[in-house]
Amino acid sequence: QEKVQQSPESLIVPEGAMSSLNCTFSNSASQSIWWYQQHPGKGPEALISIFSNGNKKEGRLTVYLNRASLHVSLHIRDSQPSDSAVYLCAVRYGSSGNKLIFGIGTLLSVKP
Amino acid sequence: DPKIIQKPKYLVAVTGSEKILICEQYLGHNAMYWYRQSAKKPLEFMFSYSYQKLMDNQTASSRFQPQSSKKNHLDLQITALKPDDSATYFCASSQGTGASAETLYFGSGTRLTVL
Repeated sequence: QEKVQQSPESLIVPEGAMSSLNCTFSNSASQSIWWYQQHPGKGPEALISIFSNGNKKEGRLTVYLNRASLHVSLHIRDSQPSDSAVYLCAVRYGSSGNKLIFGIGTLLSVKP
Repeated sequence: DPKIIQKPKYLVAVTGSEKILICEQYLGHNAMYWYRQSAKKPLEFMFSYSYQKLMDNQTASSRFQPQSSKKNHLDLQITALKPDDSATYFCASSQGTGASAETLYFGSGTRLTVL
């Protein structure tokens, strides 16, 4: 059974700071890693994905993937109160289907 | 406007009853899914459909039956409801299922409480 673990469970940062979220997964055969944002009472919304070792930057978001250590991180530069949400890490395995294995999430609170 | 519509938003049921959760997507996607999010647990994959055909089923119980009457509809029928079925059920869709770059889009969920 593939597993995805996220840390920390919750994170409080001041406005303008960098937020750093971590995710480890159980199998290096993963196809792709995704980060989703979920606001209360809403469905998850895809933010950024990565397929190859290394990093990927989109706007204020940077994601780092290290397949050897089974670790991926998400960094949010210049965090804003509107970034406050639960962040879900999800791993896709297999060549067919779109089954994602999700972590339980990190609750990010950005204080003004 | 929401592109994936789930109805109802909240649902209360009694143990042993049957309910149908509705999902329609207006993204023109060919694949649809059901996921479940229970308290203190990760979002859990249940079913995937592509062109109205079942692709993957990770739900052990036959009490959960997806129903696809149209390409953009994937309802979820749950029979003999139990309190453990209480969760938020999310419908999702994607353009296809084959590419690793396929983004999954989620609806806002139906929150089911079984008393």
